[in-house]
Amino acid sequence: DAEITQSPRHKITETGRQVTLACHQTWNHNNMFWYRQDLGHGLRLIHYSYGVQDTNKGEVSDGYSVSRSNTEDLPLTLESAASSQTSVYFCASSESRLAGARDTQYFGPGTRLTVL
Amino acid sequence: DQQVKQNSPSLSVQEGRISILNCDYTNSMFDYFLWYKKYPAEGPTFLISISSIKDKNEDGRFTVFLNKSAKHLSLHIVPSQPGDSAVYFCAASSHGGSQGNLIFGKGTKLSVKP
Repeated sequence: DAEITQSPRHKITETGRQVTLACHQTWNHNNMFWYRQDLGHGLRLIHYSYGVQDTNKGEVSDGYSVSRSNTEDLPLTLESAASSQTSVYFCASSESRLAGARDTQYFGPGTRLTVL
Repeated sequence: DQQVKQNSPSLSVQEGRISILNCDYTNSMFDYFLWYKKYPAEGPTFLISISSIKDKNEDGRFTVFLNKSAKHLSLHIVPSQPGDSAVYFCAASSHGGSQGNLIFGKGTKLSVKP
């Protein structure tokens, strides 16, 4: 069965370190997204990609970067981790660029990141 | 400024009764609305959606109502079941429903008591 996975599921790091969160999907979807979920804020879009070599900034992109070298993977990098980036991170993918019943985003299980 | 608001952080309902989750939005350019459901330690899953050209969409026990003039939508679950206990996120999109423009609310935690 097709799926979307994230690794690691839990990560503790120190302020200033570079951290990369992995996202891998086997749906063969062109579109991939990264969100963060914080108490009091719901889900906020960090970066997204509509295809290989395509990346776009979302609502809260400062301090994060992504690269898309193949269809299956969209790694999220925190260049210099800050305590404000402690959060739960969700990766998602979709077949279409348009939201809808058949074009929904499929979410991974999440990565809980703690920056000390 | 929040564009999608879910003003009730939590809701408790008895099994078998109706659950009504509300969502308000401020951006009149939003033309597609979705509800996602999230269990603890899992990613959100799509539940139901509605286009701005409709005022109601139904899928089994779940119905979403859209009131464009009031910029308000609601999700009705009838009858509610204990397995419906989860956090429900309302989301909205503009530009024909572009995924990259999806804005989520803060979520409402629904508890369905047996």
